[in-house]
Amino acid sequence: DVKVTQSSRYLVKRTGEKVFLECVQDMDHENMFWYRQDPGLGLRLIYFSYDVKMKEKGDIPEGYSVSREKKERFSLILESASTNQTSMYLCASTLRLAGATGELFFGEGSRLTVL
Amino acid sequence: AQSVAQPEDQVNVAEGNPLTVKCTYSVSGNPYLFWYVQYPNRGLQFLLKYITGDNLVKGSYGFEAEFNKSQTSFHLKKPSALVSDSALYFCAVRDLRSGATNKLIFGTGTLLAVQP
Repeated sequence: DVKVTQSSRYLVKRTGEKVFLECVQDMDHENMFWYRQDPGLGLRLIYFSYDVKMKEKGDIPEGYSVSREKKERFSLILESASTNQTSMYLCASTLRLAGATGELFFGEGSRLTVL
Repeated sequence: AQSVAQPEDQVNVAEGNPLTVKCTYSVSGNPYLFWYVQYPNRGLQFLLKYITGDNLVKGSYGFEAEFNKSQTSFHLKKPSALVSDSALYFCAVRDLRSGATNKLIFGTGTLLAVQP
């Protein structure tokens, strides 16, 4: 089975702190994604990466950056956390094939609270 | 613009009764459609998908979904609900502009509550 692991399930940080959310997948997937989930808004794409060191902005990239130094690891960085970044963060991965059906595999989520 | 809509924030059903969770989509071209389930404080789990072929798709945990091109819908169904089906359900459509990146566009989610 595909396993996507988010290292921190629950985090509490203070405004202005730098926050790192780590995600590792074990299925050699090229594509990796970071979503943010908020009640009533569903899942919104923050950033995605389709290869090592390659990244593209999603729908809500402001206040976030990402790092993909190894194929299996995709990190989300909040340079200076703010209270409006309190949310559930979900990492996902999938194969990068033109004919692939696009099924995403998700991690368990990281619930971040910024005080 | 491509989008997916889940018109109901919450669906309530009694255990043993059939359930339906609604989803409509808007894409230009043939859609790839998905249903995911999220249990409390967990990530999303894949339930089923429609790519092509038979309009009735069967998935995990006894769920099925019916693709209706004329109504641009992809409703999730189950003949007999269980209390353990209570969860948040997301409909998604593949972003056809994303090519091999395979990005998905998600609906806002529907909370299914099954009463014993």
